[in-house]
Amino acid sequence: SQQGEEDPQALSIQEGENATMNCSYKTSINNLQWYRQNSGRGLVHLILIRSNEREKHSGRLRVTLDTSKKSSSLLITASRAADTASYFCATFPRGYSTLTFGKGTMLLVSP
Amino acid sequence: DAGVIQSPRHEVTEMGQEVTLRCKPISGHNSLFWYRQTMMRGLELLIYFNNNVPIDDSGMPEDRFSAKMPNASFSTLKIQPSEPRDSAVYFCASSRQGGQEKLFFGSGTQLSVL
Repeated sequence: SQQGEEDPQALSIQEGENATMNCSYKTSINNLQWYRQNSGRGLVHLILIRSNEREKHSGRLRVTLDTSKKSSSLLITASRAADTASYFCATFPRGYSTLTFGKGTMLLVSP
Repeated sequence: DAGVIQSPRHEVTEMGQEVTLRCKPISGHNSLFWYRQTMMRGLELLIYFNNNVPIDDSGMPEDRFSAKMPNASFSTLKIQPSEPRDSAVYFCASSRQGGQEKLFFGSGTQLSVL
């Protein structure tokens, strides 16, 4: 099964609202990454958070990591129609050498 | 940087035919990944190369799939013979240091096997 599982599977909001997506994983990790995928395109890296970090910011993005609960969240503030995409979390488990992706959250931001 | 370059962008073939997907990673990146994406199974890692050497090919579905990386600037994923269930989007990605750093993805190859 997938190491990371995003929740919800789909999210529909209005422009200007905040969007929160969650990711849960099963085993200890070295880092956790969030990616965005626009329809018909490749994945684009958003943020990498290491296991010893609790929060990171990048522009309108805020990522938190709770290793005790094995969970992470991605917050997009003041969303825009251009944020419409699928968002994936990817974990780099300890003892492994590659990333494992979840199935993603589809975000729809309506004007 | 040109980014990760994949070709072809789209491939339509008939069952039983050989399919070859190509990837040029970003210059200076020593890790290369092949992923397959479907609605049912999401994004699956097929194979991971580090310094041109296959490190993890446990995700390769079966012997019909093979991947090579003859040099640091080129990799191929071959399916022979192809089957309808191989229809998917195949992505190539590269990074400086495996999964420890961010991955850069190509635009993918949309494969349809009829």
